[in-house]
Amino acid sequence: DGGITQSPKYLFRKEGQNVTLSCEQNLNHDAMYWYRQDPGQGLRLIYYSQIVNDFQKGDIAEGYSVSREKKESFPLTVTSAQKNPTAFYLCASSTPLAGYTDTQYFGPGTRLTVL
Amino acid sequence: SQQGEEDPQALSIQEGENATMNCSYKTSINNLQWYRQNSGRGLVHLILIRSNEREKHSGRLRVTLDTSKKSSSLLITASRAADTASYFCATGVGTYKYIFGTGTRLKVLA
Repeated sequence: DGGITQSPKYLFRKEGQNVTLSCEQNLNHDAMYWYRQDPGQGLRLIYYSQIVNDFQKGDIAEGYSVSREKKESFPLTVTSAQKNPTAFYLCASSTPLAGYTDTQYFGPGTRLTVL
Repeated sequence: SQQGEEDPQALSIQEGENATMNCSYKTSINNLQWYRQNSGRGLVHLILIRSNEREKHSGRLRVTLDTSKKSSSLLITASRAADTASYFCATGVGTYKYIFGTGTRLKVLA
């Protein structure tokens, strides 16, 4: 799992609640990412951030929000607007090499369940 | 959007056999990476092959890349029960974007 930590490991949300998933990295990477994984599926990009105070929407950003106030931290908020939030959430980080994507490292994941 | 497509979706082999899984993609890439995911865990990086490379080895892993066919293969030799996991390919596009396939579920029987 490298130098990326995610918390909590399991999270339960009631209908209409916002919840925040934590992601911290000590790899000094510039870029950080949030992915969603549904059972038996691949990863879908929610948001990514290239540098502090900057982030871009991925393929499935609706109902999610992020912030990047510090280089090492990239929290994800799952809002009540996300209609089907039950999934496994993975945080990742990387640093481009010579202007191109390089190795991406992942955290251990947070499993979110809506009650 | 999913660019990578792994084949087969599931593979079951005996311990000691070789396992081969394939990945196809659609657009130009900088590199292609393979990851392993054990059930309920994060992804573990296995190997990265750059677009100007054709083959790369790491221990029992051998990865090939054919950019003309837009495909890659991952070979695991002398498989072990501990290799049981899902394997994903991910294509690096541009400076920051990675696109993941849907994965191959490998089961190695002892």
